[in-house]
Amino acid sequence: AQSVTQLDSHVSVSEGTPVLLRCNYSSSYSPSLFWYVQHPNKGLQLLLKYTSAATLVKGINGFEAEFKKSETSFHLTKPSAHMSDAAEYFCVVSPSGAGSYQLTFGKGTKLSVIP
Amino acid sequence: SAVISQKPSRDICQRGTSLTIQCQVDSQVTMMFWYRQQPGQSLTLIATANQGSEATYESGFVIDKFPISRPNLTFSTLTVSNMSPEDSSIYLCSVGRGTEQFFGPGTRLTVL
Repeated sequence: AQSVTQLDSHVSVSEGTPVLLRCNYSSSYSPSLFWYVQHPNKGLQLLLKYTSAATLVKGINGFEAEFKKSETSFHLTKPSAHMSDAAEYFCVVSPSGAGSYQLTFGKGTKLSVIP
Repeated sequence: SAVISQKPSRDICQRGTSLTIQCQVDSQVTMMFWYRQQPGQSLTLIATANQGSEATYESGFVIDKFPISRPNLTFSTLTVSNMSPEDSSIYLCSVGRGTEQFFGPGTRLTVL
């Protein structure tokens, strides 16, 4: 079994300040972890993924996430928020390995960026 | 990656009617998936559709309500049958490739 908890339903930051979106997971096996972003009226876009290689994962648009097995966490960070980062972010867990597509989504975190 | 299109992008329907949503992928894929995203909620998997076999439905979803077709390796349809206002959601298709899933833009359905 697997589950994902996104600790904040809404995060608000000022433009140019750091972003931290928190995610904890539970999995009975070695997981793959993903962060997806959903802009208003747009589809889901993959930001980054962890698949048992380097624990610090760099993604698109300056985002990165660190896999911490001891804390069962996969928090998403960005050093400096941009207005275009305002969107809904989903943390996702699945069994590791190619062909393992049983995704479990977190409830999402809405990121607001204040000018 | 994969380029996925869905039709229609949005629709407003009357209760009791049915709507068929189409999903087209730019290349052949074995596994396609259908998700529902209810207002303000996360994504929930409805079913997995493999070409040449019956779709596999998740708990809480049944074929009579959400029949799925998968006639070839680039196309699938999801029908939302006998709709009620509770079916108002975004419906997304996705495809699996390697270790990733790629999502379509979604179909925003409103049932009156």
